[in-house]
Amino acid sequence: EDQVTQSPEALRLQEGESSSLNCSYTVSGLRGLFWYRQDPGKGPEFLFTLYSAGEEKEKERLKATLTKKESFLHITAPKPEDSATYLCAVQSIIQGAQKLVFGQGTRLTINP
Amino acid sequence: NAGVMQNPRHLVRRRGQEARLRCSPMKGHSHVYWYRQLPEEGLKFMVYLQKENIIDESGMPKERFSAEFPKEGPSILRIQQVVRGDSAAYFCASSPLSMGHNSGANVLTFGAGSRLTVL
Repeated sequence: EDQVTQSPEALRLQEGESSSLNCSYTVSGLRGLFWYRQDPGKGPEFLFTLYSAGEEKEKERLKATLTKKESFLHITAPKPEDSATYLCAVQSIIQGAQKLVFGQGTRLTINP
Repeated sequence: NAGVMQNPRHLVRRRGQEARLRCSPMKGHSHVYWYRQLPEEGLKFMVYLQKENIIDESGMPKERFSAEFPKEGPSILRIQQVVRGDSAAYFCASSPLSMGHNSGANVLTFGAGSRLTVL
């Protein structure tokens, strides 16, 4: 069974304090790995898709990387508006491209 | 572009009543997905539909739940005889192509969700 585990569950940082969120996965043939951001009371907002080990993508203060077992979301010099829950999801070749299997998320709080 | 529109945003039902959740995909998107987010749990896939067809309903509970995406109008997720355990946020998402097309433009876009509370 495909599984996604995100750590830590919650993370508090000071503004400007860089850190990384982890997404470990077990999947029967990775088709793609996705990062989403979810604000309270809203739906997930797409950030990145990664398809193969070694791939990296960047957007403003966020950078996502991928290995064969895990993905990291690096946050550089975060601001309070980066506070959100960050979700990781995998898409499996075997289980079907239409399903994303999500982790439980990392709740990130950036204090000013 | 209004994005994925879901309504109602909040719905309260008593045990045994029916709940109907509606989803209008983004303009130009013909692929619709429903996910459920139970309290303290991650998003779980329920069903994938194209116009007039259910493609994959492997995540749907076997009883009381049904989904449709008619030729005209929004997709509907219907829950009959609701129970307290159905209380959750239900998210609809859409994509321009099947998610089997791995291209940068083929992004799964979510709506804001419908939050069902069963009393």
